[in-house]
Amino acid sequence: EAQVTQNPRYLITVTGKKLTVTCSQNMNHEYMSWYRQDPGLGLRQIYYSMNVEVTDKGDVPEGYKVSRKEKRNFPLILESPSPNQTSLYFCASSFGQGMTPQHFGDGTRLSIL
Amino acid sequence: GENVEQHPSTLSVQEGDSAVIKCTYSDSASNYFPWYKQELGKRPQLIIDIRSNVGEKKDQRIAVTLNKTAKHFSLHITETQPEDSAVYFCAADSGGGADGLTFGKGTHLIIQP
Repeated sequence: EAQVTQNPRYLITVTGKKLTVTCSQNMNHEYMSWYRQDPGLGLRQIYYSMNVEVTDKGDVPEGYKVSRKEKRNFPLILESPSPNQTSLYFCASSFGQGMTPQHFGDGTRLSIL
Repeated sequence: GENVEQHPSTLSVQEGDSAVIKCTYSDSASNYFPWYKQELGKRPQLIIDIRSNVGEKKDQRIAVTLNKTAKHFSLHITETQPEDSAVYFCAADSGGGADGLTFGKGTHLIIQP
């Protein structure tokens, strides 16, 4: 079954404690991206990757890092989380950046205390 | 960069009536316009998309229209049913550069029985 898998689904942690949210897709997609979803603001892109070892900033990259060492994985790293990073996060993948639909993971709800 | 405006933010219609959600975009280079449906607590799922070389596309009770000159596109749902209740997001994709897929802020569609 084609899917995008995120882990964990829920996490409550404290300010400054490094965390990683993993994302894996089994569709051999080249393009992967991370979004955060906040009430009234919709989905905003954090980072995206067009292929292995190629990553770039989206609209709201501050406080986040990503890596793309393998095609299937695209982890999101919060080196020093802060309360304003409390949000619902979605990973997505597609065959290409433009003209193709994106498949979303089930989301990760992060609470930073 | 691209800017996508979506209206209304909330739309309440009687079951069986039609619903229309409208979006405008700013980047004339955008060439792909997907619509996503997000049910409460779930991930966004693609319901229909349209490319810039097409003016209208239909899929059963759902249709999308695109006016490239005016830079706006709309989602039309006919004969609405309770299961249509959800948040709907429009998006625009310029197909290259840092912008990628830009989302509108969403419309909460409520179907009244």
